[in-house]
Amino acid sequence: DAGVIQSPRHEVTEMGQEVTLRCKPISGHNSLFWYRQTMMRGLELLIYFNNNVPIDDSGMPEDRFSAKMPNASFSTLKIQPSEPRDSAVYFCASSLLRGDNEKLFFGSGTQLSVL
Amino acid sequence: AQSVTQLGSHVSVSEGALVLLRCNYSSSVPPYLFWYVQYPNQGLQLLLKYTTGATLVKGINGFEAEFKKSETSFHLTKPSAHMSDAAEYFCAVSERDNNDMRFGAGTRLTVKP
Repeated sequence: DAGVIQSPRHEVTEMGQEVTLRCKPISGHNSLFWYRQTMMRGLELLIYFNNNVPIDDSGMPEDRFSAKMPNASFSTLKIQPSEPRDSAVYFCASSLLRGDNEKLFFGSGTQLSVL
Repeated sequence: AQSVTQLGSHVSVSEGALVLLRCNYSSSVPPYLFWYVQYPNQGLQLLLKYTTGATLVKGINGFEAEFKKSETSFHLTKPSAHMSDAAEYFCAVSERDNNDMRFGAGTRLTVKP
């Protein structure tokens, strides 16, 4: 398996533009997570899905952020409109739901710069 | 909700010296505990995890961590640091009844020659 795949690897955009980050989880995994990493806050959980259903989105900063998981093999995180303070590395991770073998597999991240 | 505190945002050791990265957690139920490592410009990789059973857990690259319930700690150690250990290390906790994993702020490990 190729692991968790995120695209794009880097994104540079201007304030006010819409940004869409994409994630393909590992095949067979039924949980998907979006994290944001910044120097100030470290790694923050934004939202996670179980079986394509959003379970906890309390970490989503504000209404400008939205996430979808239309099927088991694809998820998007959208920021509209983007702001400079959204600049961060965004990680997607997937895992098998529960069980003693709970382990997150992370993608390589998307480095977002909002100018 | 569960949470993690990592003491020390930056730790510097000499090559060959002991590595000790501290992690304390808060959880209302028995936790799952993890250490992840992030090398520059890469995603996170699992170093080791504690779920049940033996409280001393061995991971990859010679790292180990001990779950101490009385101290609510899960410190990461390695007897002898190697230059390739330089990275950011994250402690994480999740509760057994949900899939919500929380990370500490991270500790950057620097290894001096």
